[in-house]
Amino acid sequence: GESVGLHLPTLSVQEGDNSIINCAYSNSASDYFIWYKQESGKGPQFIIDIRSNMDKRQGQRVTVLLNKTVKHLSLQIAATQPGDSAVYFCAENGEEYGNKLVFGAGTILRVKS
Amino acid sequence: EAGVTQSPTHLIKTRGQQATLRCSPISGHTSVYWYQQALGLGLQFLLWYDEGEERNRGNFPPRFSGRQFPNYSSELNVNALELEDSALYLCASSSRRNEKLFFGSGTQLSVL
Repeated sequence: GESVGLHLPTLSVQEGDNSIINCAYSNSASDYFIWYKQESGKGPQFIIDIRSNMDKRQGQRVTVLLNKTVKHLSLQIAATQPGDSAVYFCAENGEEYGNKLVFGAGTILRVKS
Repeated sequence: EAGVTQSPTHLIKTRGQQATLRCSPISGHTSVYWYQQALGLGLQFLLWYDEGEERNRGNFPPRFSGRQFPNYSSELNVNALELEDSALYLCASSSRRNEKLFFGSGTQLSVL
């Protein structure tokens, strides 16, 4: 869950298409996961969360999928809009982290009009 | 309902000086978290306060310290500033442990 450098992966999508942002989390004992969106000059904004007893959760235009077998989390955004352009972070929490959120490195989403 | 507020928005210091950053959580939230976000990097956990006590600390030197006041607001102090301390410092609050965090817009600290 620690960031690793300046070169964040970038996902470019056409406006109206669906986006899938992936995240590999670190700790198999983590039991709570969150996706955040961070726009330039702003703090991270909560998008959706999921607990380890679920494998899918839907929100408004967003779906989070959790695959505990391979420690993989994904965020699906339907009908991507220009306002969705931002950096997206996944975060995990669990007792082994001392009950704090540990963030992934982030993915840049660019929406082309 | 007001969100998490942080002050100042920007802070410019020189090496060796001390910086104090402030945070007011959402009303009713008792937990406050501090994260450091260096340019182009993810969020590194600094400190977690809950009910006035330090509950957890990230892998940062002791010159990073803070406190939480009885009204649940919080202060982050960075002593003996170094150039690599230049970063966006984000404060977040939550109503319960292990629940989703709500972030402020951050304090951009520049060390010259």
